[in-house]
Amino acid sequence: RKEVEQDPGPFNVPEGATVAFNCTYSNSASQSFFWYRQDCRKEPKLLMSVYSSGNEDGRFTAQLNRASQYISLLIRDSKLSDSATYLCVVNEDSSYKLIFGSGTRLLVRP
Amino acid sequence: DAMVIQNPRYQVTQFGKPVTLSCSQTLNHNVMYWYQQKSSQAPKLLFHYYDKDFNNEADTPDNFQSRRPNTSFCFLDIRSPGLGDAAMYLCATSRDLPGGRIAKNIQYFGAGTRLSVL
Repeated sequence: RKEVEQDPGPFNVPEGATVAFNCTYSNSASQSFFWYRQDCRKEPKLLMSVYSSGNEDGRFTAQLNRASQYISLLIRDSKLSDSATYLCVVNEDSSYKLIFGSGTRLLVRP
Repeated sequence: DAMVIQNPRYQVTQFGKPVTLSCSQTLNHNVMYWYQQKSSQAPKLLFHYYDKDFNNEADTPDNFQSRRPNTSFCFLDIRSPGLGDAAMYLCATSRDLPGGRIAKNIQYFGAGTRLSVL
């Protein structure tokens, strides 16, 4: 079983749609959680950290469910520029190592 | 302005010919990482430096080595590249907070070096 699992997609949605990605992690000791965005042939960039209480940044909302060990990312009012791969990332505070999921690819069409 | 800079952006080498990739940072972060990412796969951590302390991942081949001569620079040396080593190589940095707390290990990535092996 992979340490961080994501649906690879692609999710193909029209502009303006709401789309949600889920991610599960296997290590219950994981303490920090993130969503990174990676454009084609570019480096990953931090989209947002994920907090236990859930957090929102504009059109993006992240949720964490520790009991079920899953993390979600909701994108409202999708833009063409949201097309990218979204990487779910977890970290144990005792380690400097980030564990990346393989990513979920999003395609937003006009 | 780029804060983690990788050179070159594209590197072509021959099978078995040693190659060095470089990374520099202006963030003064004490932790630096090297990842390998193949197409449609997650970045895979090869090793990291915590200050001058080198930490190798258990499954990183001996073919991959690293040097960190100072805080700002880190190099990835591939001693004898094989066809399977063709990938994007990503450098990243992070920092500790005062008192030793990790800044939630937010890592900042360079733009990567895409390595081709002929």
